[in-house]
Amino acid sequence: EVQLLESGGGLIQPGGSLRLSCVASGFSFSTYALTWVRQTPGEGLEWVSAITGTGASAYYADSVKGRFTISRDNSMNTLFLQMNSLRAEDTAVYYCAKLRGPLHEFDFWGLGTLVTVSS
Amino acid sequence: DIQMTQSPSSLSASVGDRVTITCRASQSISSYLHWYQQKPGKAPKLLIYAASSLESGVPSRFSGGGSGTDFTLTISSLQPEDFATYYCQQSFSTPYSFGQGTKLEIK
Repeated sequence: EVQLLESGGGLIQPGGSLRLSCVASGFSFSTYALTWVRQTPGEGLEWVSAITGTGASAYYADSVKGRFTISRDNSMNTLFLQMNSLRAEDTAVYYCAKLRGPLHEFDFWGLGTLVTVSS
Repeated sequence: DIQMTQSPSSLSASVGDRVTITCRASQSISSYLHWYQQKPGKAPKLLIYAASSLESGVPSRFSGGGSGTDFTLTISSLQPEDFATYYCQQSFSTPYSFGQGTKLEIK
């Protein structure tokens, strides 16, 4: 059974940093690209970042480019999102998800972790 | 960047109704279009991928169609558990993007 479990969320002041983790199980971790998607409370979904299976390539939304860094440790089946220079508008539930197939649909999602940026 | 526009933003319907949600891309995305269902407090769930392929375990009352820029999600006969928010998403190119969502409510 595929499982994705995020952690690392919490309350952080504007300008601060936070690192999210997503531990995966139930599939061949290094074979699949992974992604982060966020959702502001009561609002829609926003794609944040994605990384290939080897970690060689990473992609970002313009809203986080230069501030967030996605990475993965295939030996630990773990995906990371390093978030720096946090802003109030980064407040959201952050989900990790697994990409599947040549069309890259998001077939499994974690439960999410809440990041609140506030003074 | 590719913009995804869903309509309607909200929809009231009754159990047994047939409903259709529309998603339009700002440029052609071939069949790189997927549909997700999200219930309050839960993660999104993949329903339809590649515009028209039904995800395993999803009831056959859900169907998807379209290609290029115009896509549809149809629920043939609404069931109580279908009342949720639905999102389309393109994976044709990064930055990937979602529609704003369609909230399906009980009439």
